[in-house]
Amino acid sequence: NFMLTQPHSVSESPGKTVTISCTGSSGSLASNFVQWHQQRPGSAPTTVIYGGNQRPSGVPDRFSGSVDSSSNSASLTISGLKTEDEADYYCQSFDANLWVFGGGTKLTVL
Amino acid sequence: EVQLMESGGGLVKPGGSLRLSCAASAFTFSSYSMIWVRQAPGKGLEWISSISTSGLYIHYADSVKGRFSISRDNAKNSLYLQMNSLRAEDTAIYYCARVGSTWPDRWGQGTLVTVSS
Repeated sequence: NFMLTQPHSVSESPGKTVTISCTGSSGSLASNFVQWHQQRPGSAPTTVIYGGNQRPSGVPDRFSGSVDSSSNSASLTISGLKTEDEADYYCQSFDANLWVFGGGTKLTVL
Repeated sequence: EVQLMESGGGLVKPGGSLRLSCAASAFTFSSYSMIWVRQAPGKGLEWISSISTSGLYIHYADSVKGRFSISRDNAKNSLYLQMNSLRAEDTAIYYCARVGSTWPDRWGQGTLVTVSS
């Protein structure tokens, strides 16, 4: 089965930039089918990146995404970190008609 | 404002059944595919099922196939998840989400299902 692997946790200071990686177990990640979801403690998820690098309305441009199909990986970069960015982040893609989530990365902003 | 509101969660014994509902408002429900995603306590997100606009195309994760059934009533702007033969490992918060093109552009707040004797 297709799997997405993320680092368990990352931490960085306010104002800095952090990048979270997401690696597919097989095949090739297609940029237009990679999403990133943010989940703050005690809240429902929200989508911060879709189609590999697109931001939904209302998501600040501090959030950016990229996909490297050659390495079968995707990345979420958050610049100018704020304490409100502290959350769990999940990458998500597809395996045929099945949705696949990564295990999630806990971002600590300290 | 677009809203998705889940209901129907609660405490159920192993082997029991439960039906979750997701009420949609402020958008044309029949124009969107929908998904159910769950999150076990302290764990990550797990997609469990998706349904197309008409209900013609339905898919399930292996973990729930044969036990759970997704459906929708476009006339009532509602999405459903019938859960049978529940197990302790089905304990989770269940979220419904609207699928905009290929990504979930709206999420509900979730409903908690606890499977315990």
